[in-house]
Amino acid sequence: NAGVTQTPKFQVLKTGQSMTLQCAQDMNHEYMSWYRQDPGMGLRLIHYSVGAGITDQGEVPNGYNVSRSTTEDFPLRLLSAAPSQTSVYFCASSYSGVQFFGPGTRLTVL
Amino acid sequence: RKEVEQDPGPFNVPEGATVAFNCTYSNSASQSFFWYRQDCRKEPKLLMSVYSSGNEDGRFTAQLNRASQYISLLIRDSKLSDSATYLCVVWADNYGQNFVFGPGTRLSVLP
Repeated sequence: NAGVTQTPKFQVLKTGQSMTLQCAQDMNHEYMSWYRQDPGMGLRLIHYSVGAGITDQGEVPNGYNVSRSTTEDFPLRLLSAAPSQTSVYFCASSYSGVQFFGPGTRLTVL
Repeated sequence: RKEVEQDPGPFNVPEGATVAFNCTYSNSASQSFFWYRQDCRKEPKLLMSVYSSGNEDGRFTAQLNRASQYISLLIRDSKLSDSATYLCVVWADNYGQNFVFGPGTRLSVLP
């Protein structure tokens, strides 16, 4: 099993550009989520999904969209990148209260 | 008040020392509790779940006090490889926004 995979590992964007961060899991977990982690701060929930076709907002959803067309994939879309979105983004899937994280995407917005 | 608070750290301890981390949570309906470990520039990974009766895994001991809404992690005989940030995580069945992470406590074990 690959677990949770994320692409790309690193990305640099210019302000106003859009892009999609990819996340996939092969553990057949229903619950998936996206977090951002900034220096000195804990993980903050952006969006989550409790199953295919169901998504909802977390603590910091502004500027991000998600979709969940399959159990395996949960992409995160930045609509119009802003410097405030410079962060490390982690995708996670969950089973029985335990979360499994992907390796993260380091995003810099200039 | 934040939902999950942890010792601010950092903790700098010599090899072989015993170190304890504390975590408090505000949601009395919280049902499950975990400690995660995060190495520098890596993803968080589950260290151990925390059970009501307390539990031990080698050099690591976790305790839960539901009445005080308090969780602890004790590391005995610290190793250099224990250097990491330790995250307290609380789970409540709120339909969706189940997991709440603490800000983490950084540990550096010094030779």
